[in-house]
Amino acid sequence: TQLLEQSPQFLSIQEGENLTVYCNSSSVFSSLQWYRQEPGEGPVLLVTVVTGGEVKKLKRLTFQFGDARKDSSLHITAAQPGDTGLYLCAQETSGSRLTFGEGTQLTVNP
Amino acid sequence: EAGVAQSPRYKIIEKRQSVAFWCNPISGHATLYWYQQILGQGPKLLIQFQNNGVVDDSQLPKDRFSAERLKGVDSTLKIQPAKLEDSAVYLCASSRRPAWGETQYFGPGTRLLVL
Repeated sequence: TQLLEQSPQFLSIQEGENLTVYCNSSSVFSSLQWYRQEPGEGPVLLVTVVTGGEVKKLKRLTFQFGDARKDSSLHITAAQPGDTGLYLCAQETSGSRLTFGEGTQLTVNP
Repeated sequence: EAGVAQSPRYKIIEKRQSVAFWCNPISGHATLYWYQQILGQGPKLLIQFQNNGVVDDSQLPKDRFSAERLKGVDSTLKIQPAKLEDSAVYLCASSRRPAWGETQYFGPGTRLLVL
């Protein structure tokens, strides 16, 4: 099972700032999912990217899948305190099994 | 539609004690997963059920962990005896089927502290 590396591990910013977090692997992803996990809750699926070079937007969140399908990024524009949480990337393998990265803990200060 | 339910939400036990967690998946979801999430890490799959059968338990420490889904609906995960390193959040998730691209829906988790 390939390892997913996420960076940065922690990120603390002020409301209104932009940020990007990354998910990388040494191997090619078949597909990649991004989740957000708020304190005291389980992860919630934000998006699935499948095609190399694919870009998906979800309001202020922009997800990009690398051309070689070995990396992905999540960009948040004008971050808000409600964006605070743990952002996880995950790869789906056979039988719908998910392998998660370690996550990026984002704190947006008002 | 009700989400994945888990209980208890919190549990504190001493090492060598036993503990059990319960999960009720979304109605109609055939596939159920148990994950362990240690503080500062992403969730790690422990076991996957398809109806009442085990699909994947390769990462379940079978000397102390057990899980069942007897009627193919709700499930229990047991730890006996617990160790300090078992302190973690135990997440249950469900999906309609184990097919590529099926969304997994997670419950709120049970937070276990082993003293």
